[in-house]
Amino acid sequence: DSGVTQTPKHLITATGQRVTLRCSPRSGDLSVYWYQQSLDQGLQFLIQYYNGEERAKGNILERFSAQQFPDLHSELNLSSLELGDSALYFCASSVGINTEAFFGQGTRLTVV
Amino acid sequence: DQQVKQNSPSLSVQEGRISILNCDYTNSMFDYFLWYKKYPAEGPTFLISISSIKDKNEDGRFTVFLNKSAKHLSLHIVPSQPGDSAVYFCAARLWTSGSRLTFGEGTQLTVNP
Repeated sequence: DSGVTQTPKHLITATGQRVTLRCSPRSGDLSVYWYQQSLDQGLQFLIQYYNGEERAKGNILERFSAQQFPDLHSELNLSSLELGDSALYFCASSVGINTEAFFGQGTRLTVV
Repeated sequence: DQQVKQNSPSLSVQEGRISILNCDYTNSMFDYFLWYKKYPAEGPTFLISISSIKDKNEDGRFTVFLNKSAKHLSLHIVPSQPGDSAVYFCAARLWTSGSRLTFGEGTQLTVNP
């Protein structure tokens, strides 16, 4: 158990819908990262937050957005969903900006 | 543009033998490299790392080698055990990008009893 909690574990939704994925970082970790893993691909970095502020952005689509709340949990919002958005979405957390990241179990999103 | 590549999607070895997983990268600015292990239905778990100023790091049965001139790193597992069967991801980090990691596609290791 990495100490990073992601909910829900599985999500099935229709095209055009909007979903919210939630992540609770390890106790004491200030940084949260979101990654997407599509079929047979490596993890692609989406976005990073540090202590509530956006720190770095990867190849995150405009239909996707995220935020980190004062209690340090984070949410990833995916809207106008397309079939190609089906993937595993991982959250990771770390104490600082350049320290080891620990991953949650992921949320498997299926868009039908 | 795939900056970190693992060219072998799968590898099968016998229990007790050596497993060698390879990874190539293109960005010479990467300063830190990591290997993660992933079991089905779980998130990636950190295994071992190496700084770009070193060429070898060892932790028990796991050793990572870095060849900067070739932009190549490898993970050696000796001896391999059936419990090592998992997907192994190579990842690289740019100091300037914080802990953001660039991952390879992964290699499925199967260790046969």
